Amino acid sequence: EVQLVQSGAEVKKPGESLKISCKASGYSFSSSWIGWVRQMSGKGLELMGIIYPGDSDVIYSPSFQDQVTISADRSISTAYLQWRSLKASDTAMYYCAQIRGITIVDYWGQGTLVTVSS
Amino acid sequence: NFMLTQPHSLSESPGKTVTISCTRSSGSIASKYVQWYQLRPGSAPSTVIYEDDRRPSGVPDRFSGSIDSSSNSASLTISGLKTEDEADYYCQSYDTNNHWVFGGGTKLTVL
Repeated sequence: EVQLVQSGAEVKKPGESLKISCKASGYSFSSSWIGWVRQMSGKGLELMGIIYPGDSDVIYSPSFQDQVTISADRSISTAYLQWRSLKASDTAMYYCAQIRGITIVDYWGQGTLVTVSS
Repeated sequence: NFMLTQPHSLSESPGKTVTISCTRSSGSIASKYVQWYQLRPGSAPSTVIYEDDRRPSGVPDRFSGSIDSSSNSASLTISGLKTEDEADYYCQSYDTNNHWVFGGGTKLTVL
């Protein structure tokens, strides 16, 4: 059974750094793209970027390039989403997702709520 | 790039059938696959339809997907509605550069 288990909710102040995680199991982690999707409160879904853990190739959506860093650790089947300096506008729910090919979500994580407030 | 437009909200009674549309603004709806995702509060999202009309294992056959080139739209149809189907539904497709496009989401109320 494929499972994506995300790290817990975070409350941070503007300017702080943050790294959230998504631990995968039940499939070959290195052989599937995994992505991060943002949902701001009351808004729709936005793909932030995807990573292929097999060779760490990362494709960022234009709006998120240089805003976040996506990485993966094959040894522990875990993908990460990282911010160097959070802004209040980063407050959102973040979902990781296992992706078929490069364009279709097969499985979703449960979501990590990130709140950035002074 | 193109947009995918969904109705903001729909409401239907248990046992009935509802259809959620997803209209592509430019380019053919048939040119790239459409997926449908279900987001229920308190639950992990799930994929209910992929590649226009294919149902992942475990998704009931009450859920079906289709595309209509004449209206340039995709549709998600849920028959025999149950209260557990109450959720936000998003369509998703992609362009020739594999950039993802999501619809704005449809809030389905079952009451």
